[in-house]
Amino acid sequence: GAVVSQHPSWVICKSGTSVKIECRSLDFQATTMFWYRQFPKQSLMLMATSNEGSKATYEQGVEKDKFLINHASLTLSTLTVTSAHPEDSSFYICSAREVQLGVYEQYFGPGTRLTVT
Amino acid sequence: SQQGEEDPQALSIQEGENATMNCSYKTSINNLQWYRQNSGRGLVHLILIRSNEREKHSGRLRVTLDTSKKSSSLLITASRAADTASYFCATALVTGANSKLTFGKGITLSVRP
Repeated sequence: GAVVSQHPSWVICKSGTSVKIECRSLDFQATTMFWYRQFPKQSLMLMATSNEGSKATYEQGVEKDKFLINHASLTLSTLTVTSAHPEDSSFYICSAREVQLGVYEQYFGPGTRLTVT
Repeated sequence: SQQGEEDPQALSIQEGENATMNCSYKTSINNLQWYRQNSGRGLVHLILIRSNEREKHSGRLRVTLDTSKKSSSLLITASRAADTASYFCATALVTGANSKLTFGKGITLSVRP
């Protein structure tokens, strides 16, 4: 099956610094990638949708200047958390979409645990 | 706002028993998907059921979909301790070339050995 990887799997950073998270589709081309955030014992909340070569579409309430998304190739999307604060500590999950038989399948990465101290 | 609402929020059963989890949603969908998430890990796709399907099986999993009631159920038969995880339903609405998954709050399933 389709595999999506994320790097790093966990990261600890100091408040005020920026952190970049990578999402790669390993064996398929993903024209669209999604970024989700999940707080402990809560559901996944969609942050933004990124299409290769174009600007990301952010969900309401998500600051685009704080969460920079780049989808420069069909296999790589990056999420940069700028000027991170402790409240940005969360589990960030990406997913990549493969079009198959007209039904849009999404494959999820293993997630990145961000802790801001 | 979230689309899917699962119930119960938490379920504890004995190994070997069946586990039934329900999901309700509010708007039209193209398909509904169930995912499993082990603690602190990513999501594992379990099964997808299209809006024109009523029931689907995959191994020990059985999913039903009732679009008139806007509800779905996931049945895990002969549960095992390894089934302990959080389960999420996610509804998909496809508009043109775009689709978006909206997740429910999740159900925590504990299977006692």
